[in-house]
Amino acid sequence: DQQVKQNSPSLSVQEGRISILNCDYTNSMFDYFLWYKKYPAEGPTFLISISSIKDKNEDGRFTVFLNKSAKHLSLHIVPSQPGDSAVYFCAANVMDSNYQLIWGAGTKLIIKP
Amino acid sequence: GAGVSQSPRYKVAKRGQDVALRCDPISGHVSLFWYQQALGQGPEFLTYFQNEAQLDKSGLPSDRFFAERPEGSVSTLKIQRTQQEDSAVYLCASSGKGRRETQYFGPGTRLLVL
Repeated sequence: DQQVKQNSPSLSVQEGRISILNCDYTNSMFDYFLWYKKYPAEGPTFLISISSIKDKNEDGRFTVFLNKSAKHLSLHIVPSQPGDSAVYFCAANVMDSNYQLIWGAGTKLIIKP
Repeated sequence: GAGVSQSPRYKVAKRGQDVALRCDPISGHVSLFWYQQALGQGPEFLTYFQNEAQLDKSGLPSDRFFAERPEGSVSTLKIQRTQQEDSAVYLCASSGKGRRETQYFGPGTRLLVL
């Protein structure tokens, strides 16, 4: 039973255009969401987060949108750069948990020059 | 500054062998986590320490898995009598004490059980 789903295993985007990565969740108790980026042979690196009391959080080229009614969040990267090519993971925090992060399976983003 | 380090980076074990995976967290980080990542999947939570106390071990898949952090710093994940299904990347992360503190990950140990 996957509580966090990333339905697109991969995404290819032209350099300079917008990349949109999607994530769906099923557990309504989730109150905090994060995006991590992972290069091959490295551990995941924190990118951006959003609390359930907000619907948008922005940090430079990265914006995360949260639609609680649809249980959906998305990560927008604009403009996309070659260094953005990586696997992106969506993760969620369960309210009152012991800090557990529940992760999606990841989306591989490929930025084409 | 130094990040989270893990050793070994790669480990090949014969089925039935015991293995020990080491994690050196960021200095001063109170919280330490272990995750298991199967090929093509996201990390799955195994266990969580706050200082030397193991507060959550609900993700450990069987009693063959054991983790410790005796002095509240370095942690070791031990897998006894390894099975082929234990093959995965084992990730360690550390963070400050707060629930919203960012988890910083090490590069992982890739375990292959033959």
